[in-house]
Amino acid sequence: QQPVQSPQAVILREGEDAVINCSSSKALYSVHWYRQKHGEAPVFLMILLKGGEQKGHEKISASFNEKKQQSSLYLTASQLSYSGTYFCGTFNMDSNYQLIWGAGTKLIIKP
Amino acid sequence: GAGVSQSPSNKVTEKGKDVELRCDPISGHTALYWYRQSLGQGLEFLIYFQGNSAPDKSGLPSDRFSAERTGGSVSTLTIQRTQQEDSAVYLCASSLAVGATDTQYFGPGTRLTVL
Repeated sequence: QQPVQSPQAVILREGEDAVINCSSSKALYSVHWYRQKHGEAPVFLMILLKGGEQKGHEKISASFNEKKQQSSLYLTASQLSYSGTYFCGTFNMDSNYQLIWGAGTKLIIKP
Repeated sequence: GAGVSQSPSNKVTEKGKDVELRCDPISGHTALYWYRQSLGQGLEFLIYFQGNSAPDKSGLPSDRFSAERTGGSVSTLTIQRTQQEDSAVYLCASSLAVGATDTQYFGPGTRLTVL
């Protein structure tokens, strides 16, 4: 079942903070976060694993609440380059070895 | 090394024609995924390969869609008798393996337009 992302869209001024949430009705092994800029392919941001491990290469922080089956992506002091659509993908026992993708959160950063 | 590559980058075809889309994954990646993305929408899973076999074909929209992977590397997605609703960007991704911790790396996509 598709994870639910919120908000669907958010508009920020440069320097402001944002939180994007991803909730699942299933127990999760991992949550993957990707950013897609207009006309480009999605780019990996971070993986959060059951048990607390995180893997990522961007200066973006995130949390994974196993009990709530929810992950949040924190974008602080946003830059213009953060604009794009953020997708979460969830991996659980029933996902048949594939990521189940959320519908995306569109982030617009204005100067 | 090189990333995931896809060809063609753009394809315009007439309704009813067949098209082939190609994906060349990152060398050594055993898992390969095909997705479809309509304008402004999310990622629609089509099919994935583990090596040359496709354990999950559940996302293919109809029997007009088929995919194969040979030599554990290049994959081809074929759409027969294309319809206008097939117009979308087709994305391919690959990962080292299939698992909770495996990062998917996406290609640039093929934009398919069916007239």
